[in-house]
Amino acid sequence: KQEVTQIPAALSVPEGENLVLNCSFTDSAIYNLQWFRQDPGKGLTSLLLIQSSQREQTSGRLNASLDKSSGRSTLYIAASQPGDSATYLCAAPYSGGGADGLTFGKGTHLIIQP
Amino acid sequence: DAGVIQSPRHEVTEMGQEVTLRCKPISGHNSLFWYRQTMMRGLELLIYFNNNVPIDDSGMPEDRFSAKMPNASFSTLKIQPSEPRDSAVYFCASSFRQGGYNEQFFGPGTRLTVL
Repeated sequence: KQEVTQIPAALSVPEGENLVLNCSFTDSAIYNLQWFRQDPGKGLTSLLLIQSSQREQTSGRLNASLDKSSGRSTLYIAASQPGDSATYLCAAPYSGGGADGLTFGKGTHLIIQP
Repeated sequence: DAGVIQSPRHEVTEMGQEVTLRCKPISGHNSLFWYRQTMMRGLELLIYFNNNVPIDDSGMPEDRFSAKMPNASFSTLKIQPSEPRDSAVYFCASSFRQGGYNEQFFGPGTRLTVL
């Protein structure tokens, strides 16, 4: 059974800083990993999906890396802005080969201070 | 595209009543997922469908929960009878699964309160 852990649980920093959010997963037999953003009271917005054949994926100021052998993924946010304040969720597919449902971490609650 | 559409957005009901949540996936997507989010347990998968066929319902908590997908553009999640511990936000998500690519897109959720 897949387990996903995110560190830190919460983070508060002044704007402009570069940030690293960490995600670890127990079953490395995954074919992709997905990062989401969730604003309070809202749904989930897909940020990046990294396929197992890739090591990195970039979108604007966001960069996500995937290391299957160590069971880790990181989300890098460059030049953080107050609008980046949200909860960031990492999700990996269930174990069992071909299973498509996602197992989510508890998230990192991020506050960017103006 | 309008994205994944869920209705209702909010539902307040009394214990013992039947609740039906609805979802319209993104047009062209072939997989649909139902998740539940609570403060205690976070986000959990309940059930998912590929090409309208239920594939894994091991996350459905009890027989009180049932889900259907009669066609590619509509799915329902039903709780009968509802209980206070069913109070949560229920999300529907859809994806176009092709090989190892399976990016999931979420709807806005239905906030369910069972009194």
